[in-house]
Amino acid sequence: AQSVAQPEDQVNVAEGNPLTVKCTYSVSGNPYLFWYVQYPNRGLQFLLKYITGDNLVKGSYGFEAEFNKSQTSFHLKKPSALVSDSALYFCAVRDIMRAGTSTLTFGKGTMLLVSP
Amino acid sequence: GAVVSQHPSWVICKSGTSVKIECRSLDFQATTMFWYRQFPKQSLMLMATSNEGSKATYEQGVEKDKFLINHASLTLSTLTVTSAHPEDSSFYICSAIFGGRANNEQFFGPGTRLTVL
Repeated sequence: AQSVAQPEDQVNVAEGNPLTVKCTYSVSGNPYLFWYVQYPNRGLQFLLKYITGDNLVKGSYGFEAEFNKSQTSFHLKKPSALVSDSALYFCAVRDIMRAGTSTLTFGKGTMLLVSP
Repeated sequence: GAVVSQHPSWVICKSGTSVKIECRSLDFQATTMFWYRQFPKQSLMLMATSNEGSKATYEQGVEKDKFLINHASLTLSTLTVTSAHPEDSSFYICSAIFGGRANNEQFFGPGTRLTVL
């Protein structure tokens, strides 16, 4: 069965500093990977995805993620954090075992707190 | 584009009553909609997959008679929590995709906060 791990419950970073939110995955076959952000009492907003191609994927709000096949990782990064980036971040992988569907398996989420 | 709405955004009900939550795709036709449940500080758990005009597919452990899903049109899916109890209190989120390809992106609604007293 496929799975997604986000090893950190919370990441703290000062505004202006680079941030990294970690994600590792376990799938059979080629992974389709996603990052979503959730603000309090809101649904999920899509940030970026990796399907194929360049390992460095650029997304919304200045975020990017690097796909590393050998390490089975898909860490989310941003060169300079903003206080407004504080939110809950979810990594997800497409459930490729369910042919013809778009079912996602989510990590448990990482709370990012950016201090002024 | 690709906006998904949910109604209501929050609801408080008494134990034993039923609550209906609507999920609408506002600017596209959603061939498939998903219903998730999220507990505080936890991840999203897929409850069911809903395809227009057919019965929903429920995840293991989800009671289909308690969580009734109807996907009557390409823009609307409803989740009815029947005979709600306090343990049903949660944040319910829907998402939708359009088209028939498996790699289509899911667009999420803003969620509905259900509190059962």
